[in-house]
Amino acid sequence: AIQMTQSPSSLSASVGDSVTITCRASQGIRNDLGWYQQKPGKAPKVLIYAASSLQSGVPSRFSGSGSGTDFTLTISSLQPEDFATYYCLQDYDYPRTFGQGTKVEIK
Amino acid sequence: EVQLVQSGGGLVQPGRSLRLSCAASGFTFGDYAMHWVRQAPGKGLEWVSGISWNSDTIGYADSVKGRFTISRDNAKNSVHLQMNSLRPEDMALYYCAKVGGLGSYYNTHFDHWGQGTLVTVSS
Repeated sequence: AIQMTQSPSSLSASVGDSVTITCRASQGIRNDLGWYQQKPGKAPKVLIYAASSLQSGVPSRFSGSGSGTDFTLTISSLQPEDFATYYCLQDYDYPRTFGQGTKVEIK
Repeated sequence: EVQLVQSGGGLVQPGRSLRLSCAASGFTFGDYAMHWVRQAPGKGLEWVSGISWNSDTIGYADSVKGRFTISRDNAKNSVHLQMNSLRPEDMALYYCAKVGGLGSYYNTHFDHWGQGTLVTVSS
């Protein structure tokens, strides 16, 4: 199975900060990667798919980049509603595998 | 509006069975693959199983293979997860999820999720 290594596992940031989360695949996955946001007690929500495509309705402060094995999610100008846990998910092969998650907390 | 409404969770003893259901509306259900993802208490997300739009292609995580069975009924716009021989480590919040790509089982993200249903495995 493809392993997805996500970092950091948590970070503290202030409103207005720019934050970057990375995901590394154990083998090349082209651009078959998505980023999901999960708030406590809620289902995950897709932010980015195909590594860099913004899901409809998602604010443009979210962006994704990368291909092959290295991917990043960037949140420019963090907003109060962005404090949540973020996961990457590879959809290149089965079994689908998620990163371990990154909890973004308020500093 | 796409809606995925889940049912069927609950408390079950180890070794027993449970069937989860996910009722879909707001889109042409038969055109999309569907998946199940779970989240153990305080843990991350784990893909469990997926089924293509026509049930021709099915996949399972190694952790559930041979015990869980995914199925769908396109006439009733529903997907199910039959869980047998349940173990304490299967205790989790289970989500059904719809893929974003029309007709795609591969290389497509999950664009809508159910509300989750809790499965508790305990004696």
